[in-house]
Amino acid sequence: EAGVTQSPTHLIKTRGQQATLRCSPISGHTSVYWYQQALGLGLQFLLWYDEGEERNRGNFPPRFSGRQFPNYSSELNVNALELEDSALYLCASSQLPYFGPGTRLTVL
Amino acid sequence: GQNIDQPTEMTATEGAIVQINCTYQTSGFNGLFWYQQHAGEAPTFLSYNVLDGLEEKGRFSSFLSRSKGYSYLLLKELQMKDSASYLCAVKTTDSWGKLQFGAGTQVVVTP
Repeated sequence: EAGVTQSPTHLIKTRGQQATLRCSPISGHTSVYWYQQALGLGLQFLLWYDEGEERNRGNFPPRFSGRQFPNYSSELNVNALELEDSALYLCASSQLPYFGPGTRLTVL
Repeated sequence: GQNIDQPTEMTATEGAIVQINCTYQTSGFNGLFWYQQHAGEAPTFLSYNVLDGLEEKGRFSSFLSRSKGYSYLLLKELQMKDSASYLCAVKTTDSWGKLQFGAGTQVVVTP
């Protein structure tokens, strides 16, 4: 059984640009959770998608958004990138989360 | 909200034992997770406790006391590769499956 997959592995953007990160959950799992881990900070819950709907979001501004597709894969979009958005973005599926490998976003 | 506290850093010698404590304050407790995270990598799931007591898995054991809001992760026969950050995370009944993480404990294993 394949685990959670994420792409790209690394992403470099400049301030003001938009970033799109992708996640595919474990086969058969309908939920996707997004977390942000900024340097020196703990993991912070970002968004939860289930059955194609956004179910809950953490304390992040609206420029962090996303969607879930019919095959349960998910996209996280970050608009108007700021330097402090540089972080490791992790995706997990199911209620006993195993994380994907993450996407390292660097904003210059 | 939830407060999850764990020490910032611990140092131990190869072959020794280290115990990482985690205390939490929450309502509707519904499970505690421990993760290992090497620098630059994603966290790796280690253990899950929802009932009081000790769960043993090879060199790693995790203990939970719900009445005290306390857990520990015990690492035995330390190896150099165990140098990593160890994250404590709590799930609550109203959290819809999301986890609240502590800041992590950096364990440094020395020769």
